[in-house]
Amino acid sequence: QVQLQESGPGLVEPSETLSLTCTVSGDSISNYYWSWIRQPPGKGLEWIGFIYYSGSTNYNPSLKSRVTISVDTSKRQFSLKLSSVTAADTAFYYCARGGWRTSYNWFDPWGQGILVTVSS
Amino acid sequence: EIVLTQSPGTVSLSPGERATLSCRASQTISSSYLAWYQQKPGQAPRLLIYGTSNRATGIPDRFSGSGSGTDFTLTISRLEPEDFAVYYCQHYGTSPWTFGQGTKVEIK
Repeated sequence: QVQLQESGPGLVEPSETLSLTCTVSGDSISNYYWSWIRQPPGKGLEWIGFIYYSGSTNYNPSLKSRVTISVDTSKRQFSLKLSSVTAADTAFYYCARGGWRTSYNWFDPWGQGILVTVSS
Repeated sequence: EIVLTQSPGTVSLSPGERATLSCRASQTISSSYLAWYQQKPGQAPRLLIYGTSNRATGIPDRFSGSGSGTDFTLTISRLEPEDFAVYYCQHYGTSPWTFGQGTKVEIK
């Protein structure tokens, strides 16, 4: 059974770069699409972007100028970098699996999420 | 971008009652590309329904989805205590994928 686990700093200073990693266990990272999704405390969900195991990406236009998602298949990890963060980027960040060989797919499963607070 | 509007924002019901949650899209969505998730406090969202009406693995049959075009519905036929949570719809057709703002099902 595939499981996802987010890791990274829980506190980032304003204007700095948020960096998170999602580690996949229980299944191969190959042939799947992998996404990052965030949720400000008490608010709704926002899809950030996805990466295919081959490295192709698609980002939400609302964040595209600040987002980079990368993959390391040898470590079964994919990562998120969000630059120039502000307090508005404070949120729970989730990684999730998308489709097998298709980007048109639901998210299942999800990682447990990690709270990242932007503050000095 | 497709905007998904969920209604009501909050619904108060008793265990055993039927819950009907609505998700309306700003433009037509293929029924293949609509999902529903359940989120409980302190937990990640959990997939309930994909492709408008297909239950995910392990989801009880009291959960059902329907709809087409711009109007979609999640129905919980008889609420169990563990069903009180927030529910989100999501489309995964035209990028960017978006979520509705959520409907909270609370105990009356």
